[in-house]
Amino acid sequence: KQEVTQIPAALSVPEGENLVLNCSFTDSAIYNLQWFRQDPGKGLTSLLLIQSSQREQTSGRLNASLDKSSGRSTLYIAASQPGDSATYLCAVRKFTGANSKLTFGKGITLSVRP
Amino acid sequence: EPEVTQTPSHQVTQMGQEVILRCVPISNHLYFYWYRQILGQKVEFLVSFYNNEISEKSEIFDDQFSVERPDGSNFTLKIRSTKLEDSAMYFCASSAQGGSSYNEQFFGPGTRLTVL
Repeated sequence: KQEVTQIPAALSVPEGENLVLNCSFTDSAIYNLQWFRQDPGKGLTSLLLIQSSQREQTSGRLNASLDKSSGRSTLYIAASQPGDSATYLCAVRKFTGANSKLTFGKGITLSVRP
Repeated sequence: EPEVTQTPSHQVTQMGQEVILRCVPISNHLYFYWYRQILGQKVEFLVSFYNNEISEKSEIFDDQFSVERPDGSNFTLKIRSTKLEDSAMYFCASSAQGGSSYNEQFFGPGTRLTVL
């Protein structure tokens, strides 16, 4: 059974800092991995998707990397801003079907201090 | 930009009552999903739906739950007899088939269900 872990559960950094959020998963037979942002009481906004054949994806100040064999992904946020404060979730889709379910981690709650 | 919409945003119901949560997926998407998130817990998969039938479901999705695509645009989740432990945020998601989207799942804003 796939397990997704995100440690630490919470992180507080000063504005302007570059930071890395980690995600690990137990079963490396994945189809893809998505990173989401969740604001308090709100829905999930997809940030980046990495296919299993890819090593990284970039969108603006965000860069996500994937090391499938070691079961790890990282989300790099450059020059953090207070508006980046949110919970960041990673989720993996197993290889048995392109449209199979996502398995989520519990998320990392990020606070960026002005 | 197209988005998944859900109604209502908040539903309060009494234990034992039936509720229907509604979703309008992105219009050209073919795969539909329901997930839920109990307060402070992980987002959990409930069910996926394709070509008018369930393609995958979790242990949570028991006989009290059902899904339907009653017309060309709506996708609904029905809970037949709600329990206190059904209180959660319910998310609908949809994805296109293949192509450059890599079946990326797009989520709606959620319906917060409170069972009293």
